[in-house]
Amino acid sequence: AQSVAQPEDQVNVAEGNPLTVKCTYSVSGNPYLFWYVQYPNRGLQFLLKYITGDNLVKGSYGFEAEFNKSQTSFHLKKPSALVSDSALYFCAVRDRPPMDTGRRALTFGSGTRLQVQP
Amino acid sequence: AAGVIQSPRHLIKEKRETATLKCYPIPRHDTVYWYQQGPGQDPQFLISFYEKMQSDKGSIPDRFSAQQFSDYHSELNMSSLELGDSALYFCASSLGASASQETQYFGPGTRLLVL
Repeated sequence: AQSVAQPEDQVNVAEGNPLTVKCTYSVSGNPYLFWYVQYPNRGLQFLLKYITGDNLVKGSYGFEAEFNKSQTSFHLKKPSALVSDSALYFCAVRDRPPMDTGRRALTFGSGTRLQVQP
Repeated sequence: AAGVIQSPRHLIKEKRETATLKCYPIPRHDTVYWYQQGPGQDPQFLISFYEKMQSDKGSIPDRFSAQQFSDYHSELNMSSLELGDSALYFCASSLGASASQETQYFGPGTRLLVL
């Protein structure tokens, strides 16, 4: 079984300050990890993913995430927050079994609402 | 760039009625996924299709069925609707060329309200 935990329901940060949205995961094997953002009345927009390789992954809109296997974490970060970053952020995971042929469902965390104050 | 298209965007139904949601994946994408997001909840996987065959199944009620057609679009059929079916239904598509390359891209969702 796979699961994702986003321990913070809401994160508040001032514009221009760095932001971190936390995510920890649990899978039986190696994980594929994803971050999505959801604006009001909109679908989920893909931000970035970790498959393999460098632990620091860079994505859209200046976001990045760091994969930490020992801590089973995949925190989302941005050096300087914008008011327009205010949205709901979801971390998602899927496991990677040995005979992986892809096309597997994602398991999402409960979401973290990011509020960036001007 | 072309995105995932879902129709209708909003749907209001009465209890015990039926509903059909449609999803048109990104061109050349061969895999379609359906997720349900209840109010204030995270998206829950329902079912997925690859090359018109069911590829994975999640928490889809027996009252729901889905299929993928030859043009890769998919339809989610929901019968005997219940109040608890009110939710945002997302479709996502991916090009499953290899497991490491797949990324699911989501549509805008269909908001279903059951009265």
